Amino acid sequence: EVQLVESGGGIVQPGRSMKLSCAASGFTFNNYDMAWVCQAPKKGLEWVATISHDGSSTHYRDSVKGRFTISRDNAKSTLYLEMDSLKSEDTATYYCARLYGYNWFAYWGQGTLVTVSS
Amino acid sequence: DTVLTQSPALAVSPGERVTVSCRASKSVSTGMHWYQQKPGQQPKLLIYGASNLDSGVPARFSGSGSGTDFTLTIDPVEADDTATYFCQQSWNDPLTFGSGTKLEIK
Repeated sequence: EVQLVESGGGIVQPGRSMKLSCAASGFTFNNYDMAWVCQAPKKGLEWVATISHDGSSTHYRDSVKGRFTISRDNAKSTLYLEMDSLKSEDTATYYCARLYGYNWFAYWGQGTLVTVSS
Repeated sequence: DTVLTQSPALAVSPGERVTVSCRASKSVSTGMHWYQQKPGQQPKLLIYGASNLDSGVPARFSGSGSGTDFTLTIDPVEADDTATYFCQQSWNDPLTFGSGTKLEIK
């Protein structure tokens, strides 16, 4: 069974950093591109970043470019999102997702809530 | 960015047929996918590539469309289908989602 378990969320002050992790199991992690998707409270979904199966290629939405870094450790089957210079508008639940085919999100984790507030 | 427009809410009775629409601001070919999100849960893939049912999804769900106009159909609707339904396109960068359609079962 595919499982994606996020961790690392919490309350953080504006301008500070936070690192999210996503532990994957039930599939061969290094075969799949992975992504982070966020959802602000009571709002819709927004793609944040994508990383290729081998970590050689990354893509970001414009609003997080230069502030967020997606990475992976295939030996540990773990996906990461390092978030710097956090802003109040980054407040959201962050989901880890496994991509498939032509970039649809085949599996999702349960999400971890990040609250940026002073 | 490709904007995906969905109607905000629908209400139907069990046993009825419901269609959820998604219109793209520019062509996405068949790069359209549908997700179901129940309250307090993560989204779940229903349909990929506009019309392909994901494994384990009941055949009551179907998808159609290409280009800019897409539809998710549930027939017949059941009480358990209460959820918000999101469309997502992957044809154009960046990947974008619709704002979601909240489905209420009367």
